[in-house]
This record gives sequence, C-alpha cells and structure tokens, in this order.
Amino acid sequence: DQQVKQNSPSLSVQEGRISILNCDYTNSMFDYFLWYKKYPAEGPTFLISISSIKDKNEDGRFTVFLNKSAKHLSLHIVPSQPGDSAVYFCAASEYGNKLVFGAGTILRVKS
Amino acid sequence: EAQVTQNPRYLITVTGKKLTVTCSQNMNHEYMSWYRQDPGLGLRQIYYSMNVEVTDKGDVPEGYKVSRKEKRNFPLILESPSPNQTSLYFCASSAGTGSQPQHFGDGTRLSIL
Repeated sequence: DQQVKQNSPSLSVQEGRISILNCDYTNSMFDYFLWYKKYPAEGPTFLISISSIKDKNEDGRFTVFLNKSAKHLSLHIVPSQPGDSAVYFCAASEYGNKLVFGAGTILRVKS
Repeated sequence: EAQVTQNPRYLITVTGKKLTVTCSQNMNHEYMSWYRQDPGLGLRQIYYSMNVEVTDKGDVPEGYKVSRKEKRNFPLILESPSPNQTSLYFCASSAGTGSQPQHFGDGTRLSIL
C-alpha cells in the first residue's frame, strides 16, 4: 500500500505558465516532505522541502504548499521553463526515519 | 566536487551470477542508502546504513546484501541475481535521515537475463 501517491503520471504545460504537481499521503505521522527532480540518465536532485509545522515554503520559482487536514501537498512552478521538463518525485519522512517516495510525475514544458 | 559515484552504470548479466554494485561518496556523510526504481512504483528503499558497521533493511531487501566497512563506501551485493531484480538502482547519501536532503548517484541499470 503506497503511503505517498502521485496520481498524475504526466503533466504538460506551456512555457511561462504555472505547473502544479500534486501529492497525497496517507500517514498522518509524516513530519517532513521533500520534492526531488530527476532528468534522464541522472540521479534525483533535491528541489525543495517543507516541515509539517508550515503550510508554505518558497524558493525562487518553486513553492510547496502543505494541507495537513487533506494530507495533500503541491509543488508550484512559476513561470515554467523548458528546462523544468523532468520527473518530479514527492517524498515524506516520519520523525527522521527513512524517506517514502511517490511514483513520480513527468512534467513536459512546451516552448 | 560533492558527489556520489556508482559503478557500473550499466550491466547485463545472467541469473545466478553474483554481482556487486559499488557506491562511494566524498561528503563524509553518515547516512547511505540504496533504492530501486521501477515503473509506477517510484523509488523503494532496499537497505540503508546509519554509520560504519550499522546497516538495516528497507522496504524491499529480499535478494540483496550490503556492507559498510568504511564511511565512504556502501556496496550493494546480489548473491544470486534473478530476473525480477532487473531495475534501475540508485545509491544516496545524506548528513542525516528524514529532513536532510539526500544526494543521489546517477544510477545503475541492471538487466538480469
């Protein structure tokens, strides 16, 4: 049973528009959430994170929102650029324990 | 340059032939782990290590072994590989668990025939 779910396998967005990637989780004990980006033939790289005591964290064009009551988080990319085309993984951890990853969402930004 | 290095990057082998995938990090990280990535399943943890000589099972440890004799190295061993271990494997390291971002290697694609 997957504790972290990314229900959209892929997303296509026009350059300059907003990309919204979603992630749902079932374990209410998760206290830290991270997003990773992965290009083909490379390993995932850390993008942005958020603690469960916050509801928003922003870093440049990337913002992560956390809705604890809905057990939902989302990653917003504004404006989207062609170089953002990659696979995005949502991950969660419980009190410093191992990370649990979602299945990933393929983002394609069209120029 | 801070990095996690995996070798080999690609390997095609046959069922039952023991193989080792090496992983080395140069960041003096205490925490290291191995993942496999399969379509529709994301990254699943195989084994992890909190420090030298300290290892523990992740979510999918069956058929794998690891060792952590030195801080920088964390090899993954398949004693008797089987076709269901065909996958893309990633090694990762971090300064700690949970909130500490993990640094990943570029992956090893294994095909077991």
